[in-house]
Amino acid sequence: EVQLVESGGGLVKPGGSLRLSCAASGFTFSNAWMSWVRQAPGKGLEWVGRIQTIPEGGTTDYTAPVKDRFTISRDDSRSTLYLQMDSLKTEDTGVYYCAPYFYRGMWGHGLVFHWGQGTLVTVSS
Amino acid sequence: EIVLTQSPVTLSLSPGERATLSCRASQSVSTYLAWYQQKPGQAPRLLIYDAFNRATGIPARFSGSGSGTDFTLTISSLEPEDFAVYYCQQRSLWPPLFGGGTVVEIK
Repeated sequence: EVQLVESGGGLVKPGGSLRLSCAASGFTFSNAWMSWVRQAPGKGLEWVGRIQTIPEGGTTDYTAPVKDRFTISRDDSRSTLYLQMDSLKTEDTGVYYCAPYFYRGMWGHGLVFHWGQGTLVTVSS
Repeated sequence: EIVLTQSPVTLSLSPGERATLSCRASQSVSTYLAWYQQKPGQAPRLLIYDAFNRATGIPARFSGSGSGTDFTLTISSLEPEDFAVYYCQQRSLWPPLFGGGTVVEIK
């Protein structure tokens, strides 16, 4: 059974930093592209970014609102995905979900078959 | 970016009625269109992928259709647990953006 457990959320002041983690199980983590999706309170779903597998280059892509402020990384030995968030803004407030983005032969690009429970990030003074 | 526009924003229906939700893309996404359901306090759940394929465990009352720029999610007969927010999502190009959502509420 695929499980994704996000952690690290909390209250942070504007301009501050936070690092989220996502512990994955139930699939071969090193073979999966991974991603982060967020949802502001009462709003829709928004992509944050994705990371390829290390053998494929480990390349990251981000969406415009977070580019140059957020960094996605992975530790395949721990089956863990990270999201380093710097220069946080009030509009970064929301629930952050990690999700597999692509797994060859199993999950197509961008299809989110599995979601974690999310972790809440609140940016407020 | 490919923008997805969902309509209506809110759909007020009674249990047993048929729900028809629309999603229009700003450019063709072929059949790379998915639908998700989200209930309050929960993560989204994938219902339909690649326009018309039901995900594992999704009841047959959910069906998807369309290609190119116009897509439809149909719930043939609403059950009480179907009242939720529904999002469409394209995966033709990065970023695979979501639409703004349709709220299906009890009339």
